Amino acid sequence: DAMVIQNPRYQVTQFGKPVTLSCSQTLNHNVMYWYQQKSSQAPKLLFHYYDKDFNNEADTPDNFQSRRPNTSFCFLDIRSPGLGDAAMYLCATAGGASGPPAYNEQFFGPGTRLTVL
Amino acid sequence: AQSVTQLDSHVSVSEGTPVLLRCNYSSSYSPSLFWYVQHPNKGLQLLLKYTSAATLVKGINGFEAEFKKSETSFHLTKPSAHMSDAAEYFCVVSGESNDYKLSFGAGTTVTVRA
Repeated sequence: DAMVIQNPRYQVTQFGKPVTLSCSQTLNHNVMYWYQQKSSQAPKLLFHYYDKDFNNEADTPDNFQSRRPNTSFCFLDIRSPGLGDAAMYLCATAGGASGPPAYNEQFFGPGTRLTVL
Repeated sequence: AQSVTQLDSHVSVSEGTPVLLRCNYSSSYSPSLFWYVQHPNKGLQLLLKYTSAATLVKGINGFEAEFKKSETSFHLTKPSAHMSDAAEYFCVVSGESNDYKLSFGAGTTVTVRA
């Protein structure tokens, strides 16, 4: 089945120690997103890629970076995690084949729960 | 800019009774609207979407929603709640026609009593 896969599902890191979260997709979608979701809140968009074009949200801290080496994979790098970065990180994809981008649902992965000690 | 207001932060129902989750939106154009469900420690799953076709939209697991332009609403309903419906529900509106972003409501937590 086509899907969005995130690894690992649970990640524990130490304060200030860099961490990388991974997302892969078999949907061949051209748009990939990274969201941060804190407890009892809606997901908050950090950035997205349209193909290789990177789009950063204005309020995303510089501590968060992303890479998309090919269509299938996208990585979220947190350079120096703080306690406030503990959250669920969700990857999502969307494709443009079925009409205007706004019509397209986003397909979400299961998320990575990040704990910062 | 578009926005979404979910009118109830928490809804509690008894198993077998109807569920109503209320959502109002604001948009300067004809939006696409979505309802997503999120179970604990899981990703978001699409329940249903409205994209300017039929105003009554049927989704998975017995859910449906009605788009009412005059009321700028997109309420989610289910005739009979099941224990497995206990989850967080998000009403979501799309961006401009060439925008790839979504605007989320704050979410409604549904609990189902046996």
